[in-house]
Amino acid sequence: EVQLVESGGGLVQPGGSLRLSCVGSGFTFSNYWMTWVRQAPGKGLQWVANIHPHGDEFYYVDSLKGRFTISRDNAKNSLYLQMNSLRADDTAVYYCARIGLTSFDYWGQGSVLTVSS
Amino acid sequence: QSALTQPASVSGSPGQSITISCTGTTSDVGGQKYVAWYQHHPGNAPKLMIYDVSSRPSGVSSRFSGSKSGNTASLTISGLQPEDEADYYCSSYTNSRTYVFGTGTKVTVL
Repeated sequence: EVQLVESGGGLVQPGGSLRLSCVGSGFTFSNYWMTWVRQAPGKGLQWVANIHPHGDEFYYVDSLKGRFTISRDNAKNSLYLQMNSLRADDTAVYYCARIGLTSFDYWGQGSVLTVSS
Repeated sequence: QSALTQPASVSGSPGQSITISCTGTTSDVGGQKYVAWYQHHPGNAPKLMIYDVSSRPSGVSSRFSGSKSGNTASLTISGLQPEDEADYYCSSYTNSRTYVFGTGTKVTVL
């Protein structure tokens, strides 16, 4: 059974940094593109970034370029999202998902980030 | 990377059919084969319902179908059931090798 489990969320002050993690199981993690998607309170889903199976190719939503960095460690079946210079509008549930060829076929339950003083 | 446009809400009675539209541009929906639809019950993980415009993943009811014409994709739910009440999002791959979601549609079963 494919499973994705996010961790690392919490309360961070504005301007702070945080790294989210996502561990995958039940599939060959190193064969798949992976992605992060977020949902702010009361808002819709927003695609954040995705990363090639080898970790050497990635894409970001324009509004987050320079502050967020996606990475992976295939030896640990893990996906990461490093978030810097956090702002209140980064408050959201962050989901990791597997990209099955063209769409997001499996999702984690999400990790909650709250940016507040 | 503007969000794709969806109606905020759609409603229907049990057994009826409803259609949700998703309008983009030639850089995403109109120029790509990779349009997907997700069902999201708040508090749960989103679920893939349709991929590649009109394909259904294994296990998804045949009551869900997808189509596309020009820059607009559509999701139709036939034989509406109470458990279909949820938020629905379209998504498209883009010419910039990124993804974009729709604004989301709340489906209410009357």
